[in-house]
Amino acid sequence: GQQLNQSPQSMFIQEGEDVSMNCTSSSIFNTWLWYKQDPGEGPVLLIALYKAGELTSNGRLTAQFGITRKDSFLNISASIPSDVGIYFCAGLNYGGSQGNLIFGKGTKLSVKP
Amino acid sequence: NAGVTQTPKFHILKTGQSMTLQCAQDMNHGYLSWYRQDPGMGLRRIHYSVAAGITDKGEVPDGYNVSRSNTEDFPLRLESAAPSQTSVYFCASSHVGVSTEAFFGQGTRLTVV
Repeated sequence: GQQLNQSPQSMFIQEGEDVSMNCTSSSIFNTWLWYKQDPGEGPVLLIALYKAGELTSNGRLTAQFGITRKDSFLNISASIPSDVGIYFCAGLNYGGSQGNLIFGKGTKLSVKP
Repeated sequence: NAGVTQTPKFHILKTGQSMTLQCAQDMNHGYLSWYRQDPGMGLRRIHYSVAAGITDKGEVPDGYNVSRSNTEDFPLRLESAAPSQTSVYFCASSHVGVSTEAFFGQGTRLTVV
């Protein structure tokens, strides 16, 4: 089946640092979504991308839909402690009567000790 | 607006027992789906529905049943629970369409012993 390769798996941040993570796939997607999940909660949608090449911001977060439609990245600028959590990318494709969200395995953001 | 509501939040089940996980949405969304989240596996779709009376299998449907009698509710049933079904289960909701983002409930953490 389709798979998304999300990297890095985990990273440590210091307050004020910029953070980058990305997702790649061997398949084309029509939509890329980025979610954040806090412990004990469901994923919360951060950014949705609908067109190849699209660059979208949400506060300190910026995400891009790759030109090839096989990748996407998420940047967080000037990180703050509440950015800690797990970030998931998800690709949406046309499958049957309703698109199927394919999720990456997540990037876990932690604070540097 | 409550969004997507899942009950219960936690449950422990014995092998062979049956259980129904509840999902309700109040956003008038047509599309509802169930995902399970396992460590290192990301989220995988179990079953989904695009309208009342219509359900279909996702990526990992074995051992689970669903029904959709109205727009709001989409229960997930485990007829004979197995330890392999220990997981965190999420219900997701969105408008019907091929490029729409999904909103998630807070999850049900299920342990099968």
